[in-house]
Amino acid sequence: EAGVAQSPRYKIIEKRQSVAFWCNPISGHATLYWYQQILGQGPKLLIQFQNNGVVDDSQLPKDRFSAERLKGVDSTLKIQPAKLEDSAVYLCASSITGASSYEQYFGPGTRLTVT
Amino acid sequence: GDSVTQMEGPVTLSEEAFLTINCTYTATGYPSLFWYVQYPGEGLQLLLKATKADDKGSNKGFEATYRKETTSFHLEKGSVQVSDSAVYFCALVTSGSARQLTFGSGTQLTVLP
Repeated sequence: EAGVAQSPRYKIIEKRQSVAFWCNPISGHATLYWYQQILGQGPKLLIQFQNNGVVDDSQLPKDRFSAERLKGVDSTLKIQPAKLEDSAVYLCASSITGASSYEQYFGPGTRLTVT
Repeated sequence: GDSVTQMEGPVTLSEEAFLTINCTYTATGYPSLFWYVQYPGEGLQLLLKATKADDKGSNKGFEATYRKETTSFHLEKGSVQVSDSAVYFCALVTSGSARQLTFGSGTQLTVLP
């Protein structure tokens, strides 16, 4: 079974530029998550989708971050304009809706450096 | 709200030493508990889990027991290997949280040969 795919793996941009990350979840997983992991900290949830609908985006900085999952499969996360404090690893995860184990499967992440 | 507190790192051990990484939690509901591991350059992987009190999760020689009375889920391994060097995250999910994981800050483990 293929895992969660993310691209790019690394990105370096200057502040005030824009950037987009892509995620393809495991086939059949209806729930998709985006996390931000700042160096030395645990991942923090940014947004959760179920199919193509948003379940929770309460921690997404909506003035600069946006995310979509138009066909209920892959997803993109965008930052515009980027700030220095956005430097982090952005993790995508997916899970089977309704699974009793609550297990989430993570992609390798995209490491963003804002200079 | 829900929170997870992990033992501060980094932790450095010699090969074959005993490992304990402490984890305590605060949750409004009845949580399921997890340990995730992140090897260098890789994504988070589920190491083990426990879904009810007194359950013991185990995998790859690691164990953790869900202790409701002390709200703890400490990770242990009797004899660590160099290949266990990674960052370990304790996490929880409660049924009322739309299955959202709440993570601790992580503990960096380095095992020396």
